[in-house]
Amino acid sequence: EAQVTQNPRYLITVTGKKLTVTCSQNMNHEYMSWYRQDPGLGLRQIYYSMNVEVTDKGDVPEGYKVSRKEKRNFPLILESPSPNQTSLYFCASSFGTVGYGYTFGSGTRLTVV
Amino acid sequence: DAKTTQPPSMDCAEGRAANLPCNHSTISGNEYVYWYRQIHSQGPQYIIHGLKNNETNEMASLIITEDRKSSTLILPHATLRDTAVYYCIVRPGYALNFGKGTSLLVTP
Repeated sequence: EAQVTQNPRYLITVTGKKLTVTCSQNMNHEYMSWYRQDPGLGLRQIYYSMNVEVTDKGDVPEGYKVSRKEKRNFPLILESPSPNQTSLYFCASSFGTVGYGYTFGSGTRLTVV
Repeated sequence: DAKTTQPPSMDCAEGRAANLPCNHSTISGNEYVYWYRQIHSQGPQYIIHGLKNNETNEMASLIITEDRKSSTLILPHATLRDTAVYYCIVRPGYALNFGKGTSLLVTP
């Protein structure tokens, strides 16, 4: 089944403890991105990647890192999480950015205490 | 980015067609119109997209006006499982600007 897989689905962590949210797609998509969703603010893009080793900042990149060493994987790294990063996170992938639909993962609900 | 305007909420009876409007009067000639939906807190789901011509797939139909300043997403036979927030998006770049969307409630 064509899909974007995120792990974990739920995570509670403490301030400052490094964590990684994994994202993997099995559709050979070149484009991948991360979004966060917060009440009243909607979905906002954190980072995106056009291809392997090519990444760029989205609208809200502060406090996050990403890497794209393989085409299928695009992990989101929080090196020192803070409570304001408590959010619902989605990974998405697509063949391209124009004229293609994006496939989203099921989401990761992160709570930082 | 072209901005979109959608009604905040709509109701539809189960089995009837749901017609969701979207205004995008500042759309540029090369910008596509995309529709997504999000059911509760699940990941957004791509529905359909179009540039100039009307489009249809297994989920929905997309009607784009000739001047491209507005469009309508049509769910031909709405079911309870179509209750969701529907987003109309027009963008030239890399990010999807989801906005607030239309909350569609399908009632029995």
